[in-house]
Amino acid sequence: DAKTTQPPSMDCAEGRAANLPCNHSTISGNEYVYWYRQIHSQGPQYIIHGLKNNETNEMASLIITEDRKSSTLILPHATLRDTAVYYCIVSHHNDMRFGAGTRLTVKP
Amino acid sequence: DARVTQTPRHKVTEMGQEVTMRCQPILGHNTVFWYRQTMMQGLELLAYFRNRAPLDDSGMPKDRFSAEMPDATLATLKIQPSEPRDSAVYFCASGLLDWLSYNEQFFGPGTRLTVL
Repeated sequence: DAKTTQPPSMDCAEGRAANLPCNHSTISGNEYVYWYRQIHSQGPQYIIHGLKNNETNEMASLIITEDRKSSTLILPHATLRDTAVYYCIVSHHNDMRFGAGTRLTVKP
Repeated sequence: DARVTQTPRHKVTEMGQEVTMRCQPILGHNTVFWYRQTMMQGLELLAYFRNRAPLDDSGMPKDRFSAEMPDATLATLKIQPSEPRDSAVYFCASGLLDWLSYNEQFFGPGTRLTVL
């Protein structure tokens, strides 16, 4: 049972911000929103996570709506190396279930 | 640079053969996950261990798959007998997790299994 909905694919121009949306309308109060990405043929890589507040780290920013039913991952200045599948996951700190994700293609 | 290592990286075998995949988690990590990735099903969680004890293996076909942690530095995933439908990339991940900490998992490079 999918807990998140993401667009299957998106394009972004190199140097521009990439905004990846995720809907998680059935998220429960103690579940976090996690983002991972998988670059071709590699294992997934953790990006960021959040509960209620917006979060920022060296890789990305995470904006969570006030009702927590959706979120957006922002890569502020996308590079060609950011081309990957991005997974949005809701989880309560234990196992995580990966969906189909969004395939982001950064174009020159 | 601490990393999760997996062996072998590639394995081709014939249907009916036993396959053992190994994972060395990052030293000090207490939780180990096994995932399987195929084009059709995507990334599926098979099982995970905390402090070497199995916490959840509900994603794993019980009749032919088994996962163990003989010690803190080694996790194994075994398929016996293997079938063509087991062809996939198998990822191991580890993390330092408890009920309160966030779930950052570090993934290995994967084992690409082909069963003929």
